[in-house]
Amino acid sequence: GAVVSQHPSWVICKSGTSVKIECRSLDFQATTMFWYRQFPKQSLMLMATSNEGSKATYEQGVEKDKFLINHASLTLSTLTVTSAHPEDSSFYICSATQPRGTVGQPQHFGDGTRLSIL
Amino acid sequence: AQTVTQSQPEMSVQEAETVTLSCTYDTSENNYYLFWYKQPPSRQMILVIRQEAYKQQNATENRFSVNFQKAAKSFSLKISDSQLGDTAMYFCAFMNYGGATNKLIFGTGTLLAVQP
Repeated sequence: GAVVSQHPSWVICKSGTSVKIECRSLDFQATTMFWYRQFPKQSLMLMATSNEGSKATYEQGVEKDKFLINHASLTLSTLTVTSAHPEDSSFYICSATQPRGTVGQPQHFGDGTRLSIL
Repeated sequence: AQTVTQSQPEMSVQEAETVTLSCTYDTSENNYYLFWYKQPPSRQMILVIRQEAYKQQNATENRFSVNFQKAAKSFSLKISDSQLGDTAMYFCAFMNYGGATNKLIFGTGTLLAVQP
């Protein structure tokens, strides 16, 4: 149980294009989803917290206009990197947690998306 | 603000041996949760073990166990009978009990290499 699917796993695109990454909870309802960015050999850096039906909460220093997050249903959150540039190249990971109020529930992670901007 | 510190950037262990990864944290809260996640070369994040701060008994999951010292704010992970598949980056993480979103605070990670 508690499977999170992230798609695509790898994307290469030209500078200036927008890229959408999907994160789905397959067998549970995820009121909250998280988006992380990870540089090689470093820890996960939280970008934003996504709550179903409301605006995402972005961490300090993360550009909300650059990284658009939509959490339209209890099983799907999307991250769109708008007008991507080479410095946006990174590994992006999503996670999902069970409904608010289920205290201490671990986050379940997707397999990540490797984004390369040429 | 809570912080999580992993002071061992890299460690190495022989297959079948035991290794302990260190983690300390700082918080003023009394109730919280602690986790160890494993990230193998595939980069998938895998939950290894979870500890509730209000429980005195140390959590165990097969070959994995923790030494939770609440007063010292220490949460080390012991891997017994190390296997080649244990080679991975290990992250210690903290979750506040009172948080509304189950947000995690991660340490910087320890890269463990299991040698044949």
